[in-house]
Amino acid sequence: GESVGLHLPTLSVQEGDNSIINCAYSNSASDYFIWYKQESGKGPQFIIDIRSNMDKRQGQRVTVLLNKTVKHLSLQIAATQPGDSAVYFCAERKSNFGNEKLTFGTGTRLTIIP
Amino acid sequence: IAGITQAPTSQILAAGRRMTLRCTQDMRHNAMYWYRQDLGLGLRLIHYSNTAGTTGKGEVPDGYSVSRANTDDFPLTLASAVPSQTSVYFCASSPSSATGELFFGEGSRLTVL
Repeated sequence: GESVGLHLPTLSVQEGDNSIINCAYSNSASDYFIWYKQESGKGPQFIIDIRSNMDKRQGQRVTVLLNKTVKHLSLQIAATQPGDSAVYFCAERKSNFGNEKLTFGTGTRLTIIP
Repeated sequence: IAGITQAPTSQILAAGRRMTLRCTQDMRHNAMYWYRQDLGLGLRLIHYSNTAGTTGKGEVPDGYSVSRANTDDFPLTLASAVPSQTSVYFCASSPSSATGELFFGEGSRLTVL
């Protein structure tokens, strides 16, 4: 899976199936994690975030899972649609007190097969 | 429509020239950011501003400068462009520096020859 520092270029999923995009992080001091979606030719768009005091958070068709023991983050997209085709980035931050900035991973390209 | 406007969308520049990328937001966000995006390296923070009148250095600040004279504008200047500054530049803003929910512009593609 994607790592903040390691690149997994492409994930192909059949339309209607569920997608799982993975992200490994290395900074054990990180306590806030975010997923962004970037469509071709556009800027990244916030999807969902999770704080380290949680292990799961759900949004509309998306779920983020956090496993602090193995420093792993995943984004699950239910019933993928053509509009889900994009590059997905995970990002981490050491604290939420304002002076620590986001560190982005290198991204995973999700391709939906019709 | 509220959001972030970047200009120019695309620019080809000779090495050694000065260039300013413009960024304006109308959401009254306190924090603003400049990132560069290069293939295989993701998004890297160049400079940021937590509030009008203050700026800070990010991960890759060398060769770039910023100013934040007011809430809405956050221009990025390359004083003397070099080919390694060829990249796609994204401006972003957030209501405060405490949130990870950033709102990004559409990007400015810069090519330095």
